Amino acid sequence: LAKTTQPISMDSYEGQEVNITCSHNNIATNDYITWYQQFPSQGPRFIIQGYKTKVTNEVASLFIPADRKSSTLSLPRVSLSDTAVYYCLVGSNSNSGYALNFGKGTSLLVTP
Amino acid sequence: DGGITQSPKYLFRKEGQNVTLSCEQNLNHDAMYWYRQDPGQGLRLIYYSQIVNDFQKGDIAEGYSVSREKKESFPLTVTSAQKNPTAFYLCASRSSGTVIEAFFGQGTRLTVV
Repeated sequence: LAKTTQPISMDSYEGQEVNITCSHNNIATNDYITWYQQFPSQGPRFIIQGYKTKVTNEVASLFIPADRKSSTLSLPRVSLSDTAVYYCLVGSNSNSGYALNFGKGTSLLVTP
Repeated sequence: DGGITQSPKYLFRKEGQNVTLSCEQNLNHDAMYWYRQDPGQGLRLIYYSQIVNDFQKGDIAEGYSVSREKKESFPLTVTSAQKNPTAFYLCASRSSGTVIEAFFGQGTRLTVV
């Protein structure tokens, strides 16, 4: 399974764009990159998934360079309610299933 | 209402006792997962199951056991062999499709007294 590395924490002010980068140097050809968001005392929630280039939805954008060894989750104009932990996962379905290892994530604090 | 249900929400256990946490889903998902989360920490994978009657150990399986007799159910037993069981436990499920979107239950907070 591909190992991921993210910053432990980040701070931002309301209204700013936040970019969280995840490194995954040993990503496999079939692996997808998936990001989740977790609020305290709740389970994580799926945000976005991509394989290459750029993916955008109503919540965030995901940028993946051509070598796919890293990815960047972009949150436009964050608000206080975006304060949460963000997890980057890398993997794919396989014969034995997909282990969904979340790691420690990046704790984002948004302040006024 | 489709979803994944964990029970109970809070659970207290005496040292030396086994306790079983329930996880049920009606999403028709193939895969199910159990995680442990300690304060200020990320999620650590305990066990996961891709199909009925099959499951694999995660990173911290020691002191835990699971069963998958039905597609809808994936109970987790915290045994007396688990040295530090006080934690927040999360169950999740997902389909086998390409989108790796897992759905989580509300969690069970286990406290050993």
